[in-house]
Amino acid sequence: ETGVTQTPRHLVMGMTNKKSLKCEQHLGHNAMYWYKQSAKKPLELMFVYNFKEQTENNSVPSRFSPECPNSSHLFLHLHTLQPEDSALYLCASSQDPPQPSNEQFFGPGTRLTVL
Amino acid sequence: QKEVEQNSGPLSVPEGAIASLNCTYSDRGSQSFFWYRQYSGKSPELIMFIYSNGDKEDGRFTAQLNKASQYVSLLIRDSQPSDSATYLCAASAVSNSGYALNFGKGTSLLVTP
Repeated sequence: ETGVTQTPRHLVMGMTNKKSLKCEQHLGHNAMYWYKQSAKKPLELMFVYNFKEQTENNSVPSRFSPECPNSSHLFLHLHTLQPEDSALYLCASSQDPPQPSNEQFFGPGTRLTVL
Repeated sequence: QKEVEQNSGPLSVPEGAIASLNCTYSDRGSQSFFWYRQYSGKSPELIMFIYSNGDKEDGRFTAQLNKASQYVSLLIRDSQPSDSATYLCAASAVSNSGYALNFGKGTSLLVTP
């Protein structure tokens, strides 16, 4: 256990469904991240939140909508996804401001399948 | 384009041997470098970080950094079958918006008994 939890662990959804992924960190960190991990591709950073403010959005399609109500919780709202969005979605947290040793702690991930 | 390059492998080494994993990065502004291990179906877990040129040792693991060559490596001594996993190299990217990591695709390591 890294102190970062994610639910659900597995999700199967149709292209017309709306679902949400949840992440919670119990480490007292103030930065949280969403990554997408697809087969044969590097971890792709999707969103960064520092002190609940979104500071990075790496050209992610609008069908992915993040929400960060407080520094411990992070959501990823999904709607009208495509089959190519099937991947492992990882949440991570770290302490900010950045120090050279600031590692990111990852949650277990949500395995998403879009039919 | 800030890229982190790794040989995807698989790298196969016999039990007890030294495994050498390599990584290059393109962003000269990167200050810190991280090695994560990821078992199949699991999330990445940190093994080591390094931010000064030279070697850093932690148990069976040694990270090496050469900023002039933009090269990072991870040595695993006395490799064990339990070390079989994908190893991800990551470089820090500090910007006005904060701090994030650029990851390589990972190198698959197989330690054979």
